[in-house]
Amino acid sequence: RKEVEQDPGPFNVPEGATVAFNCTYSNSASQSFFWYRQDCRKEPKLLMSVYSSGNEDGRFTAQLNRASQYISLLIRDSKLSDSATYLCVVNSGYSTLTFGKGTMLLVSP
Amino acid sequence: DTEVTQTPKHLVMGMTNKKSLKCEQHMGHRAMYWYKQKAKKPPELMFVYSYEKLSINESVPSRFSPECPNSSLLNLHLHALQPEDSALYLCASSPGGFTGGKGTEAFFGQGTRLTVV
Repeated sequence: RKEVEQDPGPFNVPEGATVAFNCTYSNSASQSFFWYRQDCRKEPKLLMSVYSSGNEDGRFTAQLNRASQYISLLIRDSKLSDSATYLCVVNSGYSTLTFGKGTMLLVSP
Repeated sequence: DTEVTQTPKHLVMGMTNKKSLKCEQHMGHRAMYWYKQKAKKPPELMFVYSYEKLSINESVPSRFSPECPNSSLLNLHLHALQPEDSALYLCASSPGGFTGGKGTEAFFGQGTRLTVV
């Protein structure tokens, strides 16, 4: 089983739509969780840290379910500029980040 | 300021060349990383430095040699690379050291796009 699994997509949605990405991780000892965004030929940029209680930042909501080893990212009111690859990232301690393969989002007019 | 600066942005080198990639951060972060990323793949961890000490080497070939001269700088020395080593090399840093929880989110530089010919 892969350490961090994501649906590669692409997810094609119209502007204004709500879209949700899911991610599962295999290491139950994982301690911290993140969503990164990566544009084509650019570096990954931290979008959100993910906490057990769930957290929201504007149009973005992240949730963590430790029992199911599952992380989600919800994007409301999608914008064209949200088109990117979204990487689910898990830290299992020892400063090691494990990346999922990413989910591609394409928002169309 | 969450800036990690990498130089050069692009590098073309021959298989017999020696070159170095440089990374700098002034955020007081305690952990610094080198990642390699091929097209349409996620970043792959190469090395982790924690408090200026090499903590993790992910079985990287010896033609890649990391160096951490001080807490703000991280270098990657390259020698006798192969064409398959062509990739985007990303440096990152995070506030925490060897602990989980908060402080382990990583901030990435813009990367060096390396082509080996």
